[in-house]
Amino acid sequence: SAVISQKPSRDICQRGTSLTIQCQVDSQVTMMFWYRQQPGQSLTLIATANQGSEATYESGFVIDKFPISRPNLTFSTLTVSNMSPEDSSIYLCSVDGQGPYNEQFFGPGTRLTVL
Amino acid sequence: AQSVTQLDSHVSVSEGTPVLLRCNYSSSYSPSLFWYVQHPNKGLQLLLKYTSAATLVKGINGFEAEFKKSETSFHLTKPSAHMSDAAEYFCVVIPGGGGNKLTFGTGTQLKVEL
Repeated sequence: SAVISQKPSRDICQRGTSLTIQCQVDSQVTMMFWYRQQPGQSLTLIATANQGSEATYESGFVIDKFPISRPNLTFSTLTVSNMSPEDSSIYLCSVDGQGPYNEQFFGPGTRLTVL
Repeated sequence: AQSVTQLDSHVSVSEGTPVLLRCNYSSSYSPSLFWYVQHPNKGLQLLLKYTSAATLVKGINGFEAEFKKSETSFHLTKPSAHMSDAAEYFCVVIPGGGGNKLTFGTGTQLKVEL
């Protein structure tokens, strides 16, 4: 399985500001995913990021609010823009295990609190 | 359409007793099914996966799950709970027929008491 790291692990931000979260994988992967886990809730997919193409966003998520970069096969960033307290969540990146059954492996998450 | 339902939001067991976490799915095709565990302030770890090779799937840390197509269930079990099993458990489905998007259940919080 891939080893995935995220930076920062946690942050406290003021409303109206933006935060960029980094996700680094120790091997080349085709697909990377970004999820949001609101307090006490399950995970919701924000977008899928493939290298060399624009991210594909799920219903309810837009590029202006959550711009994503995928400059190479081992790295991706998610920006949470113009933050409000409702954006307080854990943000997780994951990678496609590249096996035949499409399991994913997750990073440790970034815990964001917006004041 | 496909979805996954975890029937219990909280389960409490005594250490050394069996664990049963229930999951039902709906899928138009033969799905891939997973159980993930999330310990406090940690990321998600894959416990086990069903891939149609065998209906009884063994995972890490003594956990098992049985795929029952007739009941559309994929319940997670462990014969004897340990304190370290206390965590949030997510049942996850990918529909068959192609695709790679995970759909997460709402999670079950497992509490293990002495």
